[in-house]
Amino acid sequence: GAVVSQHPSWVICKSGTSVKIECRSLDFQATTMFWYRQFPKQSLMLMATSNEGSKATYEQGVEKDKFLINHASLTLSTLTVTSAHPEDSSFYICSARAGGTYEQYFGPGTRLTVT
Amino acid sequence: GQNIDQPTEMTATEGAIVQINCTYQTSGFNGLFWYQQHAGEAPTFLSYNVLDGLEEKGRFSSFLSRSKGYSYLLLKELQMKDSASYLCAVRDRGSNFGNEKLTFGTGTRLTIIP
Repeated sequence: GAVVSQHPSWVICKSGTSVKIECRSLDFQATTMFWYRQFPKQSLMLMATSNEGSKATYEQGVEKDKFLINHASLTLSTLTVTSAHPEDSSFYICSARAGGTYEQYFGPGTRLTVT
Repeated sequence: GQNIDQPTEMTATEGAIVQINCTYQTSGFNGLFWYQQHAGEAPTFLSYNVLDGLEEKGRFSSFLSRSKGYSYLLLKELQMKDSASYLCAVRDRGSNFGNEKLTFGTGTRLTIIP
């Protein structure tokens, strides 16, 4: 149990375009989802926390107008990278947590390359 | 804020034992996780400590001392497949349960040699 999927697993886009990444909890209801970014040989950096039905809470230094997060249901959260630039190229990982629990279950990640 | 320190890289021999240390400073400590991450993949859960002491799970054990802000992950009978990054992550209580979050250390890249 506790499977989290992400789609797409990798994407290449041109500079200036927008990319949407989906994160789904397949067998549990995720009241909270987290979005992380990981650059090569670095650790995971939390970008934002989203609770179902409410606005996401962004970490300091993360532009909320650039990284749009929607957590419309208990099984789906989306991250849209708007007007992507090469410096946005990274590994984006989501995780999901069920209500009243402590463990986060991670998705397989999405590798974004902006050319 | 939080500060989490781990060694950047370690090397160990197949069949041996290795200990990966993690020190942390946080204002609202509410547990510590260890994750394993292979290159290009998402982290996988290894252990969770919230009380002082040792938690053993097969070849892996994790220890926590809250008073010292210190944890370690112990890997026994090392196998080549254990070559990966090991991430220490501290759970911060936040202002309420809904604001809890994990802060990750930089990770320790462990290389197992024959």
